Amino acid sequence: DGGITQSPKYLFRKEGQNVTLSCEQNLNHDAMYWYRQDPGQGLRLIYYSQIVNDFQKGDIAEGYSVSREKKESFPLTVTSAQKNPTAFYLCASSIDGANNQPQHFGDGTRLSIL
Amino acid sequence: QQQVKQSPQSLIVQKGGISIINCAYENTAFDYFPWYQQFPGKGPALLIAIRPDVSEKKEGRFTISFNKSAKQFSLHIMDSQPGDSATYFCAPNTGFQKLVFGTGTRLLVSP
Repeated sequence: DGGITQSPKYLFRKEGQNVTLSCEQNLNHDAMYWYRQDPGQGLRLIYYSQIVNDFQKGDIAEGYSVSREKKESFPLTVTSAQKNPTAFYLCASSIDGANNQPQHFGDGTRLSIL
Repeated sequence: QQQVKQSPQSLIVQKGGISIINCAYENTAFDYFPWYQQFPGKGPALLIAIRPDVSEKKEGRFTISFNKSAKQFSLHIMDSQPGDSATYFCAPNTGFQKLVFGTGTRLLVSP
């Protein structure tokens, strides 16, 4: 089955700790995205990547970092600089980032602070 | 900053009724108007989308109505079913797929 796999499903972070969220896709999509979803709010874009070894900041990139070394993988690191990291994090992909193409989402990682 | 206003925030509809969710936007450059459906604990999934060169698109029980001059588009769910209970997001965009999500509408269809 083709799709997007996010892991872990739940993650806890201690103060001052960096944590990395995994996102893997086997859809052969060029473009990948990370979103943050807070209760009662829409999704906000953190980072996106149109192609391997290239990525761009979204609307709320501060306190986050990404890498795109492989087409199928787009991990997100939540750094200690992100002061309010508790949220539901969603990874998505699309064929090539052009308009009129649906984004396919994973089932998310819920991050909480210990 | 791009603004997308979605209403209502929550909606309760009886089984078999019509659910209507609205989305108003400001950016006239938007040229793709999708609706996403999200179940609890899951990621959103594309439900239906429309281009601005048509005023309505229907797929099964789901219809998008688009009013370019009013900068609004809406989702109609006919014969609403309990399985339609979910959160719905409009997410208009343009160019590279930088979606601008509405704040969501939580729909509950009562049996």
